[in-house]
Amino acid sequence: GENVEQHPSTLSVQEGDSAVIKCTYSDSASNYFPWYKQELGKRPQLIIDIRSNVGEKKDQRIAVTLNKTAKHFSLHITETQPEDSAVYFCAASRAHSGGGADGLTFGKGTHLIIQP
Amino acid sequence: DAGITQSPRHKVTETGTPVTLRCHQTENHRYMYWYRQDPGHGLRLIHYSYGVKDTDKGEVSDGYSVSRSKTEDFLLTLESATSSQTSVYFCAISQTESGNTIYFGEGSWLTVV
Repeated sequence: GENVEQHPSTLSVQEGDSAVIKCTYSDSASNYFPWYKQELGKRPQLIIDIRSNVGEKKDQRIAVTLNKTAKHFSLHITETQPEDSAVYFCAASRAHSGGGADGLTFGKGTHLIIQP
Repeated sequence: DAGITQSPRHKVTETGTPVTLRCHQTENHRYMYWYRQDPGHGLRLIHYSYGVKDTDKGEVSDGYSVSRSKTEDFLLTLESATSSQTSVYFCAISQTESGNTIYFGEGSWLTVV
């Protein structure tokens, strides 16, 4: 089955600096790579995702890059703000062309701390 | 919130008792999932369903069963709860309209004592 590794487990950055979280996956059939943000006691919230036919995707201060050859993808947050402090999870799955998807396999998470 | 409701939201139960968690969705999504979340392990897939009466096992299915007799409801049952099943359980749906994006319910906190 799929295996997703995520690094680092904890990341502390100064407010205004950039943060990068990296993930690798093992199953070359995986074609869908979402990122979730989870605040304490809350559900995981989707913040951005990328599919295997795209190399990069941006949404305001957040961007995700995908390297299919190396089987790794990364989350980039620029101009970090205190509200960015949370746990971030990467995940991988195979989305089906006819609808639906295999269950997501998650990395173990990165605790992002934004220092004022 | 993709129309997902989990119940109960919090439950304390004794070892050896049966427990059923319910996931209800209002938007007719075909795919539904159950995950558990534990410190140090992230989120792990327990079971998923791809239609009424169609289910499959995930990574950590031992000790759990599921049923889906209606599109809107996906039930997770712990036949005989153990302390190792103390966890936060999240239901999720796959929203085909947005390219199979997966959204989570609010979670059910289960403590087995």
